[in-house]
Amino acid sequence: DTAVSQTPKYLVTQMGNDKSIKCEQNLGHDTMYWYKQDSKKFLKIMFSYNNKELIINETVPNRFSPKSPDKAHLNLHINSLELGDSAVYFCASSQEWGSGEKLFFGSGTQLSVL
Amino acid sequence: DQQVKQNSPSLSVQEGRISILNCDYTNSMFDYFLWYKKYPAEGPTFLISISSIKDKNEDGRFTVFLNKSAKHLSLHIVPSQPGDSAVYFCAAFPGAGSYQLTFGKGTKLSVIP
Repeated sequence: DTAVSQTPKYLVTQMGNDKSIKCEQNLGHDTMYWYKQDSKKFLKIMFSYNNKELIINETVPNRFSPKSPDKAHLNLHINSLELGDSAVYFCASSQEWGSGEKLFFGSGTQLSVL
Repeated sequence: DQQVKQNSPSLSVQEGRISILNCDYTNSMFDYFLWYKKYPAEGPTFLISISSIKDKNEDGRFTVFLNKSAKHLSLHIVPSQPGDSAVYFCAAFPGAGSYQLTFGKGTKLSVIP
Protein backbone atom coordinates (compact mmCIF):
# COMPACT_ATOMS: atom_id res chain seq x y z
CA ASP A 1 0.00 0.00 0.00
CA THR A 2 2.06 2.90 -1.35
CA ALA A 3 2.24 5.95 0.92
CA VAL A 4 2.93 8.54 -1.79
CA SER A 5 2.03 7.49 -5.30
CA GLN A 6 2.51 9.46 -8.47
CA THR A 7 1.54 8.71 -12.06
CA PRO A 8 2.74 8.25 -14.66
CA LYS A 9 6.17 6.83 -13.91
CA TYR A 10 7.46 7.73 -17.37
CA LEU A 11 6.25 10.47 -19.64
CA VAL A 12 7.63 11.06 -23.13
CA THR A 13 6.16 13.92 -25.08
CA GLN A 14 6.84 16.49 -27.79
CA MET A 15 7.78 20.11 -27.24
CA GLY A 16 4.79 22.40 -26.96
CA ASN A 17 2.46 19.78 -25.50
CA ASP A 18 0.60 20.10 -22.20
CA LYS A 19 0.89 17.29 -19.66
CA SER A 20 -0.11 16.50 -16.09
CA ILE A 21 1.43 14.43 -13.31
CA LYS A 22 -0.79 13.21 -10.51
CA CYS A 23 0.16 12.63 -6.90
CA GLU A 24 -1.73 11.13 -3.99
CA GLN A 25 -0.69 10.45 -0.40
CA ASN A 26 -2.51 8.20 2.06
CA LEU A 27 -0.51 9.21 5.12
CA GLY A 28 -2.92 11.87 6.33
CA HIS A 29 -0.20 14.52 5.99
CA ASP A 30 -1.02 18.21 5.85
CA THR A 31 1.74 19.28 3.48
CA MET A 32 2.65 18.18 -0.02
CA TYR A 33 5.50 19.18 -2.32
CA TRP A 34 6.80 18.95 -5.84
CA TYR A 35 10.55 18.55 -6.29
CA LYS A 36 12.54 18.51 -9.51
CA GLN A 37 15.73 16.54 -9.98
CA ASP A 38 17.58 18.00 -12.93
CA SER A 39 20.40 16.59 -15.05
CA LYS A 40 22.93 17.70 -12.44
CA LYS A 41 21.10 15.52 -9.91
CA PHE A 42 20.10 18.35 -7.60
CA LEU A 43 16.74 17.92 -5.90
CA LYS A 44 15.08 21.33 -5.79
CA ILE A 45 11.74 22.32 -4.39
CA MET A 46 9.20 23.74 -6.81
CA PHE A 47 5.98 24.06 -4.84
CA SER A 48 4.55 23.32 -1.43
CA TYR A 49 0.92 23.13 -0.39
CA ASN A 50 -0.28 23.10 3.17
CA ASN A 51 -3.89 22.06 3.67
CA LYS A 52 -4.65 22.81 0.01
CA GLU A 53 -3.11 26.30 0.26
CA LEU A 54 -0.05 27.24 -1.78
CA ILE A 55 2.80 28.02 0.62
CA ILE A 56 5.87 27.98 -1.59
CA ASN A 57 6.28 28.85 -5.19
CA GLU A 58 9.95 28.87 -6.00
CA THR A 59 11.29 30.44 -9.16
CA VAL A 60 9.40 28.20 -11.50
CA PRO A 61 8.01 29.28 -14.90
CA ASN A 62 4.29 29.96 -14.77
CA ARG A 63 3.87 27.20 -17.34
CA PHE A 64 3.95 24.97 -14.25
CA SER A 65 0.71 25.06 -12.29
CA PRO A 66 0.04 22.92 -9.23
CA LYS A 67 -3.49 21.99 -8.28
CA SER A 68 -4.56 20.61 -4.92
CA PRO A 69 -8.19 19.42 -5.01
CA ASP A 70 -7.87 18.14 -1.44
CA LYS A 71 -5.26 17.53 1.22
CA ALA A 72 -4.35 14.12 -0.16
CA HIS A 73 -3.73 15.18 -3.74
CA LEU A 74 -1.31 17.55 -5.44
CA ASN A 75 -1.20 17.44 -9.21
CA LEU A 76 1.26 19.22 -11.47
CA HIS A 77 0.19 20.56 -14.82
CA ILE A 78 2.78 21.75 -17.31
CA ASN A 79 1.86 23.84 -20.35
CA SER A 80 3.89 24.30 -23.52
CA LEU A 81 6.58 21.82 -22.58
CA GLU A 82 10.18 22.74 -23.40
CA LEU A 83 13.31 20.62 -23.81
CA GLY A 84 14.67 21.99 -20.53
CA ASP A 85 11.71 20.59 -18.64
CA SER A 86 13.14 17.10 -19.05
CA ALA A 87 13.88 15.89 -15.54
CA VAL A 88 12.59 13.60 -12.83
CA TYR A 89 9.74 15.11 -10.83
CA PHE A 90 9.13 13.88 -7.30
CA CYS A 91 6.04 14.40 -5.23
CA ALA A 92 6.48 14.36 -1.45
CA SER A 93 4.50 14.89 1.71
CA SER A 94 5.21 15.69 5.35
CA GLN A 95 3.21 15.74 8.57
CA GLU A 96 3.41 19.49 9.01
CA TRP A 97 4.84 22.49 7.23
CA GLY A 98 7.98 24.17 8.48
CA SER A 99 8.59 21.72 11.29
CA GLY A 100 11.61 19.96 9.82
CA GLU A 101 9.61 16.79 9.56
CA LYS A 102 11.01 14.22 7.25
CA LEU A 103 9.60 14.03 3.77
CA PHE A 104 8.02 10.96 2.23
CA PHE A 105 8.67 10.83 -1.50
CA GLY A 106 6.88 9.22 -4.38
CA SER A 107 8.86 7.10 -6.82
CA GLY A 108 9.23 9.90 -9.34
CA THR A 109 8.04 10.70 -12.85
CA GLN A 110 10.72 10.76 -15.51
CA LEU A 111 9.68 13.39 -18.05
CA SER A 112 11.40 13.41 -21.42
CA VAL A 113 10.58 16.23 -23.80
CA LEU A 114 11.60 15.56 -27.40
CA ASP B 1 25.54 28.40 -5.13
CA GLN B 2 25.68 24.96 -3.54
CA GLN B 3 24.84 25.35 0.11
CA VAL B 4 25.05 21.59 0.69
CA LYS B 5 27.97 19.81 -0.92
CA GLN B 6 28.69 16.16 -1.32
CA ASN B 7 32.05 16.19 -3.00
CA SER B 8 32.34 12.47 -3.63
CA PRO B 9 29.99 11.41 -6.42
CA SER B 10 30.71 7.74 -5.73
CA LEU B 11 32.18 5.40 -3.15
CA SER B 12 32.96 1.66 -3.25
CA VAL B 13 33.30 -0.37 -0.08
CA GLN B 14 33.79 -4.05 0.65
CA GLU B 15 30.93 -5.82 2.39
CA GLY B 16 31.41 -5.84 6.16
CA ARG B 17 33.62 -2.75 6.19
CA ILE B 18 32.69 0.77 7.19
CA SER B 19 31.19 3.22 4.69
CA ILE B 20 31.74 6.91 5.40
CA LEU B 21 29.77 9.44 3.38
CA ASN B 22 30.64 13.09 3.80
CA CYS B 23 28.67 16.30 3.50
CA ASP B 24 29.68 19.94 3.89
CA TYR B 25 27.43 22.96 4.20
CA THR B 26 27.98 26.67 3.94
CA ASN B 27 24.86 28.18 5.48
CA SER B 28 25.33 28.69 9.24
CA MET B 29 21.55 29.03 9.61
CA PHE B 30 21.06 25.31 8.96
CA ASP B 31 20.24 23.59 12.22
CA TYR B 32 18.70 20.28 11.22
CA PHE B 33 20.25 17.72 8.92
CA LEU B 34 18.87 14.62 7.26
CA TRP B 35 20.17 11.76 5.19
CA TYR B 36 18.05 10.15 2.51
CA LYS B 37 18.71 6.94 0.64
CA LYS B 38 17.58 6.40 -2.93
CA TYR B 39 17.41 3.21 -4.96
CA PRO B 40 17.12 3.38 -8.78
CA ALA B 41 13.60 4.15 -10.03
CA GLU B 42 12.41 4.92 -6.51
CA GLY B 43 11.99 8.11 -4.51
CA PRO B 44 14.38 9.06 -1.71
CA THR B 45 13.55 7.53 1.67
CA PHE B 46 14.44 9.07 5.00
CA LEU B 47 17.32 7.36 6.76
CA ILE B 48 18.50 9.34 9.76
CA SER B 49 18.60 12.92 11.02
CA ILE B 50 20.46 15.07 13.50
CA SER B 51 19.73 18.35 15.20
CA SER B 52 22.45 20.96 15.57
CA ILE B 53 22.31 20.63 19.35
CA LYS B 54 23.78 17.16 19.02
CA ASP B 55 27.03 15.91 17.55
CA LYS B 56 26.00 12.31 17.05
CA ASN B 57 22.91 10.29 16.36
CA GLU B 58 22.84 6.53 16.01
CA ASP B 59 20.24 4.18 14.59
CA GLY B 60 21.33 0.59 14.25
CA ARG B 61 24.12 0.35 11.70
CA PHE B 62 23.79 4.03 10.79
CA THR B 63 25.44 6.88 12.68
CA VAL B 64 25.49 10.52 11.70
CA PHE B 65 28.16 12.83 13.10
CA LEU B 66 27.91 16.60 13.05
CA ASN B 67 30.82 19.01 13.41
CA LYS B 68 29.23 22.45 13.52
CA SER B 69 32.47 24.39 13.69
CA ALA B 70 33.66 22.71 10.50
CA LYS B 71 30.17 22.77 8.95
CA HIS B 72 30.60 19.11 8.20
CA LEU B 73 28.56 16.00 8.73
CA SER B 74 29.18 12.39 7.92
CA LEU B 75 27.16 9.20 7.72
CA HIS B 76 28.80 6.00 8.91
CA ILE B 77 27.42 2.61 7.95
CA VAL B 78 28.85 -0.31 9.89
CA PRO B 79 28.97 -3.03 8.75
CA SER B 80 28.17 -2.24 5.14
CA GLN B 81 25.87 -4.65 3.33
CA PRO B 82 25.18 -5.11 -0.40
CA GLY B 83 21.62 -3.85 0.19
CA ASP B 84 23.10 -0.52 1.26
CA SER B 85 24.13 0.13 -2.34
CA ALA B 86 22.19 3.26 -3.26
CA VAL B 87 22.55 7.00 -3.70
CA TYR B 88 22.72 8.87 -0.40
CA PHE B 89 21.56 12.47 -0.22
CA CYS B 90 22.49 14.87 2.53
CA ALA B 91 19.88 17.57 3.24
CA ALA B 92 19.79 20.58 5.52
CA PHE B 93 17.00 22.63 7.02
CA PRO B 94 17.12 26.09 8.62
CA GLY B 95 14.73 25.17 11.39
CA ALA B 96 11.20 25.71 12.58
CA GLY B 97 9.05 27.99 10.47
CA SER B 98 11.06 27.43 7.33
CA TYR B 99 10.28 25.23 4.41
CA GLN B 100 13.59 25.21 2.59
CA LEU B 101 15.07 21.72 2.68
CA THR B 102 18.29 21.95 0.66
CA PHE B 103 19.74 18.79 -0.83
CA GLY B 104 23.24 17.85 -1.91
CA LYS B 105 23.88 16.12 -5.22
CA GLY B 106 24.19 12.71 -3.65
CA THR B 107 26.90 10.06 -3.31
CA LYS B 108 26.48 6.70 -4.98
CA LEU B 109 27.57 3.94 -2.61
CA SER B 110 28.44 0.52 -3.99
CA VAL B 111 28.97 -2.25 -1.47
CA ILE B 112 30.90 -5.09 -3.03
CA PRO B 113 30.10 -8.61 -1.80
